[in-house]
Amino acid sequence: AQSVTQPDIHITVSEGASLELRCNYSYGATPYLFWYVQSPGQGLQLLLKYFSGDTLVQGIKGFEAEFKRSQSSFNLRKPSVHWSDAAEYFCAVVTSGGSYIPTFGRGTSLIVHP
Amino acid sequence: GAGVSQSPSNKVTEKGKDVELRCDPISGHTALYWYRQSLGQGLEFLIYFQGNSAPDKSGLPSDRFSAERTGGSVSTLTIQRTQQEDSAVYLCASSRGQTLYEQYFGPGTRLTVT
Repeated sequence: AQSVTQPDIHITVSEGASLELRCNYSYGATPYLFWYVQSPGQGLQLLLKYFSGDTLVQGIKGFEAEFKRSQSSFNLRKPSVHWSDAAEYFCAVVTSGGSYIPTFGRGTSLIVHP
Repeated sequence: GAGVSQSPSNKVTEKGKDVELRCDPISGHTALYWYRQSLGQGLEFLIYFQGNSAPDKSGLPSDRFSAERTGGSVSTLTIQRTQQEDSAVYLCASSRGQTLYEQYFGPGTRLTVT
């Protein structure tokens, strides 16, 4: 079965600093990869997704992520963080040819200092 | 258009009582998912409905949990004889088809079992 690891439970950055949130997956073939954001008291919103093709994908709110097959990673990045980016971020994996039920990581809580 | 809605937003119940949680998916979305999110945890898959197919119940933690989806639209998650460990946020999501499509999440129902 596939698994998703988000090694950082909390990340603290200053407003305007760059950000990278890590996501590693365990699966033999190329999975379908997603990043979601959850603001306090809200449901999850899709930031971006990777199915195939260009390994650098652009998402909403200025986020991007890069799929690296050799490292089984799909890290989320943003060049300049805004205070409104403070939220919980979840990486998710869906395996091709499977049940299409996503497996979510435990999430990374982003704290933004002014 | 309207997003995914869930009701109630908060539910406090006594141990041993039954509860029903409701999810109204986006109109036309054939797939519907229920997840459980416990404090500091990722999303735990519970059940998946796709069109008229038999639901995938593989994530239900015990036989106290059940769900139905009427007319391919509204879904109800029922927890019988609630236990304190059932306390969590229950999230519903819908999508146009299988999980290759973006999932749209509701705001969740926060269940507290006292």
